Amino acid sequence: NAGVMQNPRHLVRRRGQEARLRCSPMKGHSHVYWYRQLPEEGLKFMVYLQKENIIDESGMPKERFSAEFPKEGPSILRIQQVVRGDSAAYFCASSPTGTGSSYGYTFGSGTRLTVV
Amino acid sequence: DAKTTQPPSMDCAEGRAANLPCNHSTISGNEYVYWYRQIHSQGPQYIIHGLKNNETNEMASLIITEDRKSSTLILPHATLRDTAVYYCIVRVARDDKIIFGKGTRLHILP
Repeated sequence: NAGVMQNPRHLVRRRGQEARLRCSPMKGHSHVYWYRQLPEEGLKFMVYLQKENIIDESGMPKERFSAEFPKEGPSILRIQQVVRGDSAAYFCASSPTGTGSSYGYTFGSGTRLTVV
Repeated sequence: DAKTTQPPSMDCAEGRAANLPCNHSTISGNEYVYWYRQIHSQGPQYIIHGLKNNETNEMASLIITEDRKSSTLILPHATLRDTAVYYCIVRVARDDKIIFGKGTRLHILP
């Protein structure tokens, strides 16, 4: 029973390039959440998605960042024109249900993005 | 913003019980208390959660006070592998967004 799979584990991008981070939720989970952790800081919520819907994007920076969770395939967090301040660990989590559930999340191992 | 208050760090001797406190004085009746931990930049790991009653699983015990304004996570026999940042979170079930605070950095001393 595979857990939440994130890839790549490490990603290096030059300033101005695009970064694409992928997250495959646990089998049977239809809710995906993205978090960012800057070096030596805590986890910050970014976005909550269900299949083909963005439910809460209150933590997403207004520019350059976008997320999707298509009907088929993994969830994608996309960062356009990366800057050095985007260097961080990006964690994805999934849960089986949303509203009304007391279930916790299952987190992936994260993608470490380094912008050079 | 996180609705919980935790000490920034704690030490515990290996083999002893680690008791991690959490204050959540503004908790609402429909909010659960969750505990997660993050071991050295790995993805956070779910530990336990509860609403009113004390809970126990293979990892830990959760003791919630009768007024629900505070709780304690107990790791019964701490090992070096329990060194991590422990997060106490309150969350309404219908709001799936989990907000992490600063947590408690637990050091297990050999």
